[in-house]
Amino acid sequence: GQQVMQIPQYQHVQEGEDFTTYCNSSTTLSNIQWYKQRPGGHPVFLIQLVKSGEVKKQKRLTFQFGEAKKNSSLHITATQTTDVGTYFCAGPDWDDYKLSFGAGTTVTVRA
Amino acid sequence: EAQVTQNPRYLITVTGKKLTVTCSQNMNHEYMSWYRQDPGLGLRQIYYSMNVEVTDKGDVPEGYKVSRKEKRNFPLILESPSPNQTSLYFCASSAGRGAYEQYFGPGTRLTVT
Repeated sequence: GQQVMQIPQYQHVQEGEDFTTYCNSSTTLSNIQWYKQRPGGHPVFLIQLVKSGEVKKQKRLTFQFGEAKKNSSLHITATQTTDVGTYFCAGPDWDDYKLSFGAGTTVTVRA
Repeated sequence: EAQVTQNPRYLITVTGKKLTVTCSQNMNHEYMSWYRQDPGLGLRQIYYSMNVEVTDKGDVPEGYKVSRKEKRNFPLILESPSPNQTSLYFCASSAGRGAYEQYFGPGTRLTVT
């Protein structure tokens, strides 16, 4: 079955620095979704990318979908303490019913 | 307020004692699913439902049952819980299949001793 892999598993960042988390799928995806889970909370939808090579921005967050629609990245600039949490990518199966999540990147921020 | 609710939020039980975790959504969503979250493994889909009376297995269905008799409710049933089912469980709903934005419930922390 489809596998979605995410690296790194942990990211320790100095406040104000940038970082990137990467997501790779074993199969071509119709779209990729990103979620954020704050400590003790539930996953919350951030964004969905559909087109090959698509780039979307949300303030300091930049999301990219690869040309082959098998990989994606999330880049955060000028990290703040509010960015703490676990970021998941997720891709649907071939029939768009099942959804596979990556293992997540857990971000901690040093003030 | 649009939301997904789960009950109970915390549950400690013993091996073999049947339990049900309820899930309800008020957004008239057709698609609902259950996930378990374990450290280092992310969210793994247990079962999903495309509509009333239509369910299918996710990636880790063993040891779980579901039913979808009403559109708003999607309970998760553990007929004979075992310690390896100790986990954090999330219910989610979506306006259309797994390819669309998922709305998650607050989670149920289950411990099986």
